Amino acid sequence: AQSVSQHNHHVILSEAASLELGCNYSYGGTVNLFWYVQYPGQHLQLLLKYFSGDPLVKGIKGFEAEFIKSKFSFNLRKPSVQWSDTAEYFCAVNAILYGNNRLAFGKGNQVVVIP
Amino acid sequence: EPEVTQTPSHQVTQMGQEVILRCVPISNHLYFYWYRQILGQKVEFLVSFYNNEISEKSEIFDDQFSVERPDGSNFTLKIRSTKLEDSAMYFCASSGTSGYNEQFFGPGTRLTVL
Repeated sequence: AQSVSQHNHHVILSEAASLELGCNYSYGGTVNLFWYVQYPGQHLQLLLKYFSGDPLVKGIKGFEAEFIKSKFSFNLRKPSVQWSDTAEYFCAVNAILYGNNRLAFGKGNQVVVIP
Repeated sequence: EPEVTQTPSHQVTQMGQEVILRCVPISNHLYFYWYRQILGQKVEFLVSFYNNEISEKSEIFDDQFSVERPDGSNFTLKIRSTKLEDSAMYFCASSGTSGYNEQFFGPGTRLTVL
């Protein structure tokens, strides 16, 4: 079964600091990879996705993620965070060769940006 | 911008009662999903639905659960006899013409079983 790991569940940082959130998954075949964000009081929104091609993907609000197949990782980065980036961030994986389309989620990273 | 909507936002019920959670997916989407998140735990897949039938379900989705698309717009999750451990946030999602596209999530229904 697919499993997704996110570490450092609670992250606190100051505005303008850089952010990197790790995501590792266990499935060795072809995957689609996603980062979702949930701002306080709002629903899950797609931040960025990787299906194929350039392993460095750019998403909304200055976020980017890098797919490293050899490390089974899809880490999220932002060079300079803002207070409005305070949210919970979820990594999700779809193992497409299983022939299913379920998303397996990590436990999430609660990020608090201090002004 | 089209979005997935869910009702109610919060449902409180007694153990053993039936509940129906409602979702309106994005109108031209073909794939529909239910996920749940127990407090402090991961978001977990429950079921996916395509072409008016279940395409996949998880081990959580036992005989107490059922899904239905009763008309062209609604997608419902029924829990026949709720248990305390069914207390969770339930998210509906939909995706477009391929099940491997991104999934768009609704705001969730918080179910509390007393």
